[in-house]
Amino acid sequence: AQSVAQPEDQVNVAEGNPLTVKCTYSVSGNPYLFWYVQYPNRGLQFLLKYITGDNLVKGSYGFEAEFNKSQTSFHLKKPSALVSDSALYFCAVRMDSSYKLIFGSGTRLLVRP
Amino acid sequence: ETGVTQTPRHLVMGMTNKKSLKCEQHLGHNAMYWYKQSAKKPLELMFVYSLEERVENNSVPSRFSPECPNSSHLFLHLHTLQPEDSALYLCASSQDRAGVYNEQFFGPGTRLTVL
Repeated sequence: AQSVAQPEDQVNVAEGNPLTVKCTYSVSGNPYLFWYVQYPNRGLQFLLKYITGDNLVKGSYGFEAEFNKSQTSFHLKKPSALVSDSALYFCAVRMDSSYKLIFGSGTRLLVRP
Repeated sequence: ETGVTQTPRHLVMGMTNKKSLKCEQHLGHNAMYWYKQSAKKPLELMFVYSLEERVENNSVPSRFSPECPNSSHLFLHLHTLQPEDSALYLCASSQDRAGVYNEQFFGPGTRLTVL
């Protein structure tokens, strides 16, 4: 069965430091991978996606993610965190020929000043 | 209005009530989705409509009834709900064609409380 794991419930980082939010997936076939962010009382906002091509994907607000097929990972990164990056982050995978987007459980990012 | 809008933003209902959630997308997309977001659980896909036809129904109880009258509008009709149905209900849309799967755009959600 397809699944997405976000092993950390919360990630704490100081403003200005690099951040990483981890995501691993388990699927059969080629995955389409996404990262979303959710601010309090808001819907999910799309950050970036990997479909094919370059393993390093750049997205909104300075975020990037690296697709690693051998480790089945798609970690979200940012070189320098901002307090305003504090939010709930979701990794998701979508299979070929399926409308279904499978979400991880989410990781809360807390950036302290 | 731009993007995906949802009304109402908050809804409190009794277990015997009937209510409806409305979603409208202004993006010209051809697929629409309902998700349920509960505390401490991953987002659960409930229904998918593509070109106004239901293409996925993930074992959702019959007390939830979706309706997609056109490609821009999606409804979720609610009746005889249970307290455990209290959650944030999110609508999303995307533009998909064969072999190309784009990101989904989400609305702000309806916070539903069932008493």
